[in-house]
Order: sequence, then C-alpha cells, then structure tokens
Amino acid sequence: AQSVTQLDSQVPVFEEAPVELRCNYSSSVSVYLFWYVQYPNQGLQLLLKYLSGSTLVKGINGFEAEFNKSQTSFHLRKPSVHISDTAEYFCAVSAAQGGSEKLVFGKGTKLTVNP
Amino acid sequence: GAGVSQSPSNKVTEKGKDVELRCDPISGHTALYWYRQSLGQGLEFLIYFQGNSAPDKSGLPSDRFSAERTGGSVSTLTIQRTQQEDSAVYLCASSSRGGGFGEQYFGPGTRLTVT
Repeated sequence: AQSVTQLDSQVPVFEEAPVELRCNYSSSVSVYLFWYVQYPNQGLQLLLKYLSGSTLVKGINGFEAEFNKSQTSFHLRKPSVHISDTAEYFCAVSAAQGGSEKLVFGKGTKLTVNP
Repeated sequence: GAGVSQSPSNKVTEKGKDVELRCDPISGHTALYWYRQSLGQGLEFLIYFQGNSAPDKSGLPSDRFSAERTGGSVSTLTIQRTQQEDSAVYLCASSSRGGGFGEQYFGPGTRLTVT
C-alpha cells in the first residue's frame, strides 16, 4: 500500500517570492508521483508527473518538482509565485506495476499568495 | 474536446434516501475512476473500471455504495440509504489506458449534501 504526507496544510507567501510545498511518500513498490492543483470551486488539474528518467520534472505554470528516492520525497517548487497561484495543491502516488493505477492523495496544502 | 462531465453538480438529499451520481468520461478513455473528497478524509479512491475487466472496488466504504459502467462509457455511482457522513464532493476521472500509466483527467465533481 502507498501513503502520502504533505507536511504543511497551509502556506502563505508574498507575491514574487519563491515557494516549496513538501511531499513525502511511503511505498513497498516503485511508484509514479504527481502534483495536482485545485482552484476554488474547480476540479483537479495535473501540474506535473514523475514516471521515470530525470528526477527533475517541469510542469505547467512554471512549477517543477524533484524526485528523491532516498528521501522518498517529491517537493514542489516555484521560483516566483503570482496571486493566481492561490489554490490547493495535492501530491499523489500510484503503484508503478500492475494494479488499478489508483491515486493515493495527500491531505493537500493550501497556498495563499498575498500582494 | 469535451472533458469529463458529471451530473448533477449539486445534490441535496435527506438522510435515508438513495442517490445516483453520473459520470461521462472522455470519449475513448477505457479507464474510469471514482474518488471522494471530504473535509475529514481528504481525497479517497472509491472504485476503478478498466474495459471489460472486473472493477477494483477496494475503496468503497460500505455496501451502501455501488457503481456500474454501462457499455464501457457512462458510469453511475449509487449510494443507498444515505448518511450524513456521505456528504462530500464525488469526483470522477478517466484515462486512456490501463496496464501502463495513463494520465487521469478529472471532472468538476458532484457536491452531495445529506441533511
């Protein structure tokens, strides 16, 4: 089974500041890793994913994440945030081999970007 | 093209009544997932359909919950004898392949309120 821990439930930052949203996972098998964003009253949108290969992955809206197998982490970063990045961010994993590829989500981190 | 659609967008029901929630996946997507998003539990997997294979029902919280997928397309999630703890947003997602990773595209969700 897999589990995901998002260490911060809320992260307030000022506009144009850098941000890092932390994610750690636990799994007995290889995993795929994802970050989703949910804007207020909207559905989930995929920001980026790690399947294999380069451990640094780039996504939409200037976000990137780095897979660290030894630390079982997949932290999300953006060098300069905008007001429009205010949303809730979810880290998720799925088993890489067999099974239903169901996503196991963290509890989410609410990012608030202040002017 | 059209994304995943869900209906109704909002549903208010009395405790003890049955409800049906509908999901129309992206055309051609063979895999379909249901998730539940609630304040207390975050995002939880409920059930997965892939083609003609037996569904993965491992996430259904009780036997009051059931789902079917007709003709490999539209899916209906049924909750019988609803309870207040069933209040949540029910999300549907679809992807283009199973047995190898396919990105999951999410619908806008159905907000269920049990009074």
